[in-house]
Amino acid sequence: SYELTQPPSVSVSPGQTARITCSGDALPKKYAYWYQQKSGQAPVLVIYEDSKRPSGIPERFSGSSSGTMATLTISGAQVEDEADYYCYSTDSSGNHSWVFGGGTKLTVL
Amino acid sequence: QVQLVQSGAEVKKPGASVKVSCKVSGYTLTELSMHWVRQAPGKGLEWMGGFDPEDGETIYAQKFQGRVTMTEDTSTDTAYMELSSLRSEDTAVYYCATDQLYYWGQGTLVTVSS
Repeated sequence: SYELTQPPSVSVSPGQTARITCSGDALPKKYAYWYQQKSGQAPVLVIYEDSKRPSGIPERFSGSSSGTMATLTISGAQVEDEADYYCYSTDSSGNHSWVFGGGTKLTVL
Repeated sequence: QVQLVQSGAEVKKPGASVKVSCKVSGYTLTELSMHWVRQAPGKGLEWMGGFDPEDGETIYAQKFQGRVTMTEDTSTDTAYMELSSLRSEDTAVYYCATDQLYYWGQGTLVTVSS
């Protein structure tokens, strides 16, 4: 079955740039989506279709994709950005099934 | 603005079924493609299935095929997810979400315990 691979954890100091990667064989052909989940809360979409930002999401959140890797970048990370982040995409087999990456715990301190 | 309001927490015995509802407001259900995602305690997100507008049918994750049924009542703008043959590993928070998982419900905790 299709898999998306994320690093388990990323740590930055406040004000630094955090980059979270997501690798998957179908990413050259399929969009990546990114979700932020804070403890005890429902996930929130922060990036869709590789690089688009929903309304209400701060400009410091950006996304990109190149080859088999998608990247979520948080420029000038804030303490309130500390959360779990998940990438999400579909494979290219034609079965229209979707999958999440394993999640990355972002620590900002 | 879409709002999704889910039914309350459930406690079920192994082997039973559970049906979780998701009431849509702000849009009609016919304008949306609904998906279901679950999260076991301390674990990551897991896509269970959702409506694929290209095929016009609901696609289920292979792991849940034969055990999950996702339905909709357009007269009440309510989506449902029913999971059968429950086991302890199905203990999780179940979320409904719209296409692209843009909007999410608040989650429903389903506990499976004897």
